[in-house]
Amino acid sequence: SAVISQKPSRDICQRGTSLTIQCQVDSQVTMMFWYRQQPGQSLTLIATANQGSEATYESGFVIDKFPISRPNLTFSTLTVSNMSPEDSSIYLCSVGDRADTQYFGPGTRLTVL
Amino acid sequence: AQTVTQSQPEMSVQEAETVTLSCTYDTSENNYYLFWYKQPPSRQMILVIRQEAYKQQNATENRFSVNFQKAAKSFSLKISDSQLGDTAMYFCAFYNYNTDKLIFGTGTRLQVFP
Repeated sequence: SAVISQKPSRDICQRGTSLTIQCQVDSQVTMMFWYRQQPGQSLTLIATANQGSEATYESGFVIDKFPISRPNLTFSTLTVSNMSPEDSSIYLCSVGDRADTQYFGPGTRLTVL
Repeated sequence: AQTVTQSQPEMSVQEAETVTLSCTYDTSENNYYLFWYKQPPSRQMILVIRQEAYKQQNATENRFSVNFQKAAKSFSLKISDSQLGDTAMYFCAFYNYNTDKLIFGTGTRLQVFP
């Protein structure tokens, strides 16, 4: 399985600011996914990021709020824009050559004050 | 729409004992995959076990095994000889090629006591 790192591991941010989360993999992968895990809740898919194409967003998530980049096969970023306390969550990236086999990063714990 | 239900928000077990976590799902598809993921306090989601729906044999990984009942749409996880390191949130997840994404249940928090 791939080794996946995320930066930052945690952050505390002020309302109205933006945070960019990085996801780095130690090998080339076709698909990268971004999930949100609100406190005490399950994982919800935000979007799928494939290299060379626009990210595909799930219902309830929009590009203006969660812009995603996928410049190559080992790296992706998720930006949480114009943050509010409701954005306080753990953000996880996962990777895989197919969506049916995903390996997860350690997550980024975001607190918005 | 596919749904995944975990009816046990919390479970506890004594070290070395066996515990079973429940998961049911709803789908009209015939070909799909089911998973159990573990999320310890470190937050890292770890794939515990995977089951292909077309396989009748239950998947096993060391101390972890599943009881897959396709007709009943049930997919329970049995942990034998529980260890303190098994303390974690456990998520059941479903995948099929039509939706092409993982759908997670709400999780079961397992506490292993010495």
